[in-house]
Amino acid sequence: QVQLVQSGAEVKKPGASVKVSCKASGYTFTSYGISWVRQAPGQGLEWMGWISAYNGNTNYAQKLQGRVTMTTDTSTSTAYMELRSLRSDDTAVYYCARVTYAIFDVWGQGTTVTVSS
Amino acid sequence: EIVLTQSPGTLSLSPGERATLSCRASQSVSSSYLAWYQQKPGQAPRLLIYGASSRATGIPDRFSGSGSGTDFTLTISRLEPEDFAVYYCQQYGSSLPVTFGQGTKLEIK
Repeated sequence: QVQLVQSGAEVKKPGASVKVSCKASGYTFTSYGISWVRQAPGQGLEWMGWISAYNGNTNYAQKLQGRVTMTTDTSTSTAYMELRSLRSDDTAVYYCARVTYAIFDVWGQGTTVTVSS
Repeated sequence: EIVLTQSPGTLSLSPGERATLSCRASQSVSSSYLAWYQQKPGQAPRLLIYGASSRATGIPDRFSGSGSGTDFTLTISRLEPEDFAVYYCQQYGSSLPVTFGQGTKLEIK
């Protein structure tokens, strides 16, 4: 079955970086995009950006430009999201989602990232 | 950036009742790019409706979507206990970014 499996929870200090992985299975990885969405505690969903698994093209949310990088490894059907210069307000659950025509039809289970000194 | 405003913030209903959730956009949204998601506590969101009115695979027919332009509606015809959750609308307009509404919490009365 189609699924996205994300890496485990992370605890980071302010100023550090985090890299979250999202391994896809059950479909042709390069036929879809991958988007990243985060959710701060008790809050709604925030789109972070997306990447084409076909050609690696990316679009990032303006507020994260310069701090976020999304990549893919087609040999392992894995997408990555790296966020740098972490702040306390980056504490959130980070989700990857498969994208087709801007519809997020399959979601990973989420990765909790906690930023605390 | 297109802002989506969902109402009400919280909706209290009983199983068996009909639920009507609203999503209003700050500017016109192509119906092709309006979706609804359900999220239960501790779980990832799940796609319910795409293209404003098409049900995703495996979604029961008690869920329906409608609307166009700036006003969209998610209707649950007869609430089941498992339908109590938070619902989000999402759009992708003619330009980025993708945006989500702030959510409507559907709670048991």
